[in-house]
Amino acid sequence: EVQLVESGGDLVQPGGSLRLSCAASGFTFSTFAMYWIRQAPGKGLEYVSAISTNGDITDYANSVKGRFTISRDNSKNTLYLQMGSLRPEDMAVYYCAAGNAVFDYWGQGTLVTVSS
Amino acid sequence: EIVLTQSPGTLSLSPGERTTLSCRASQSLSSSYLAWYQQKPGQAPRLLIYGASSRATGIPDRFSGSGSGTDFTLTISRLEPEDFAVYYCQQYGSSPRTFGQGTKVEIK
Repeated sequence: EVQLVESGGDLVQPGGSLRLSCAASGFTFSTFAMYWIRQAPGKGLEYVSAISTNGDITDYANSVKGRFTISRDNSKNTLYLQMGSLRPEDMAVYYCAAGNAVFDYWGQGTLVTVSS
Repeated sequence: EIVLTQSPGTLSLSPGERTTLSCRASQSLSSSYLAWYQQKPGQAPRLLIYGASSRATGIPDRFSGSGSGTDFTLTISRLEPEDFAVYYCQQYGSSPRTFGQGTKVEIK
């Protein structure tokens, strides 16, 4: 069974940093591109970032470019999102997803709260 | 960036009814790289349709997708109680990937 389990969500002050993790199991992690998608409270889905199977290609939404960094460790079956210069508008549930074009598999999300 | 506009915002329907959701792109999508997702309250989204018209694994055949270029639709032929949810379209042919704002299908 495919499982994606996010962790690392927390309350952080504006301007602060946070690292999210996503532990994958039940599939061959190294053969899937991975993604982060977020959802602000009561709002729709917003694509955040993507990373290729071996990590050499990354992509970011304009809203997070230069502040967030996506990475992966295929030896640990884990995806990461390093978030910096956090803003109140970054507050959301952050989902990781796996797929080779679309978002086939999703985790249950981790909540990031940005507030002073 | 490609903007996806979904309509209507909300649909109030009864079980057993047929419904069509619309997704319009601000520019033509290459190779019909459009997907549909379903999200229920408190749950992660679930992939329904990819490539505009291909059902994902395990998705019932009452869900169907169609369209090309800039206009796409998701049709639910006969609403079951578990189909009342929010539906999002998403394009993956152009960077950055983008989602529509969602259509809520609620029980009348």
